[in-house]
Amino acid sequence: DGGITQSPKYLFRKEGQNVTLSCEQNLNHDAMYWYRQDPGQGLRLIYYSQIVNDFQKGDIAEGYSVSREKKESFPLTVTSAQKNPTAFYLCASSTTVDTGELFFGEGSRLTVL
Amino acid sequence: GQQLNQSPQSMFIQEGEDVSMNCTSSSIFNTWLWYKQDPGEGPVLLIALYKAGELTSNGRLTAQFGITRKDSFLNISASIPSDVGIYFCAAQRDSGGGADGLTFGKGTHLIIQP
Repeated sequence: DGGITQSPKYLFRKEGQNVTLSCEQNLNHDAMYWYRQDPGQGLRLIYYSQIVNDFQKGDIAEGYSVSREKKESFPLTVTSAQKNPTAFYLCASSTTVDTGELFFGEGSRLTVL
Repeated sequence: GQQLNQSPQSMFIQEGEDVSMNCTSSSIFNTWLWYKQDPGEGPVLLIALYKAGELTSNGRLTAQFGITRKDSFLNISASIPSDVGIYFCAAQRDSGGGADGLTFGKGTHLIIQP
């Protein structure tokens, strides 16, 4: 089955620690995205990638980093520089970056203790 | 960036009722989309609209792309328990706008009372 997989589903971390969220897709999509969702808020774009070895900052990139070494994979690192990291993180992919038709993963909930 | 004003913020309805929600903006968009998010899951695309005035149905769901290109609405007829969730509108400036040209509303939380 084609789809997009995020892991872990739940993650706890102590303040000052970096944590990496995994996102893998087997849809052969060129574009991949990371969004952050907070209660009562819409989806805010953290980073996106149009193609392998390329990525762009979104609206709230500070305190986050990404890599796109393979077409299938787009991991997100939440660094200790992110002041308020507790949130629900959503990875998505699409055929190209020019379409609004996104396929989302099931999300990763990060809680900082 | 552009903002989408989505309303209502939440809806409490009885099973079987019809539902209507909308999304407005002061900016013009060329694409409007509606997504649904089940609790603890990622959003799923329901309907995509690409032409001003377009009216599109998907089962019990109907969505329209406003003629001014500044708004869209989503209707759900004869609601059932599995309709519970958060509905997001999204809009895109143009086909070459890139990922940062896609804006999401804050969502409408649909709750069905027994």
